[in-house]
Amino acid sequence: DSGVTQTPKHLITATGQRVTLRCSPRSGDLSVYWYQQSLDQGLQFLIQYYNGEERAKGNILERFSAQQFPDLHSELNLSSLELGDSALYFCASSEGYGFGEKLFFGSGTQLSVL
Amino acid sequence: LAKTTQPISMDSYEGQEVNITCSHNNIATNDYITWYQQFPSQGPRFIIQGYKTKVTNEVASLFIPADRKSSTLSLPRVSLSDTAVYYCLANYGQNFVFGPGTRLSVLP
Repeated sequence: DSGVTQTPKHLITATGQRVTLRCSPRSGDLSVYWYQQSLDQGLQFLIQYYNGEERAKGNILERFSAQQFPDLHSELNLSSLELGDSALYFCASSEGYGFGEKLFFGSGTQLSVL
Repeated sequence: LAKTTQPISMDSYEGQEVNITCSHNNIATNDYITWYQQFPSQGPRFIIQGYKTKVTNEVASLFIPADRKSSTLSLPRVSLSDTAVYYCLANYGQNFVFGPGTRLSVLP
């Protein structure tokens, strides 16, 4: 058990809908990362937050947004969903930010857009 | 943005040593190289991390040459349970970009 909790484990929805994925980092970790994993693109870095502030942004679509709350949990919001958004979404956390951080991953949320 | 490259797949037999090499061009001076292991439907798990030369822990060794343009993960005496995807991660500044991963299949 990595100590990172993601909910829900599975999510089935329809195109055009909006969903929210939730992540609770390990106790004491200030950084949260979001990744998308689909069969054809591997692990894609979406965004990182550190202590409530956006720290780094990767290949995150404008339809997607995230935030980290004062209690350090994070939410990833996906809107106007398309079939291609179906993927496994992982959250990871680390103590700080920058070089040499070790990421601890949750078990993921499997999103299916029908 | 520079990318890491790894072999897509590798096969090995139980008890053999497996070496997986990752190329990471344009890696920054302060970046670390980190390797993760991922089983199906699970999140990646940290294996080992290094900056230069050689690092060893209880499960693997990591070799990084002086120019740091590549790194090699070495798994001694693999078992069937080592069948997984192995990712090389180079911390390019603020972006945590994973390589495409190497699918290792360990055969009996």
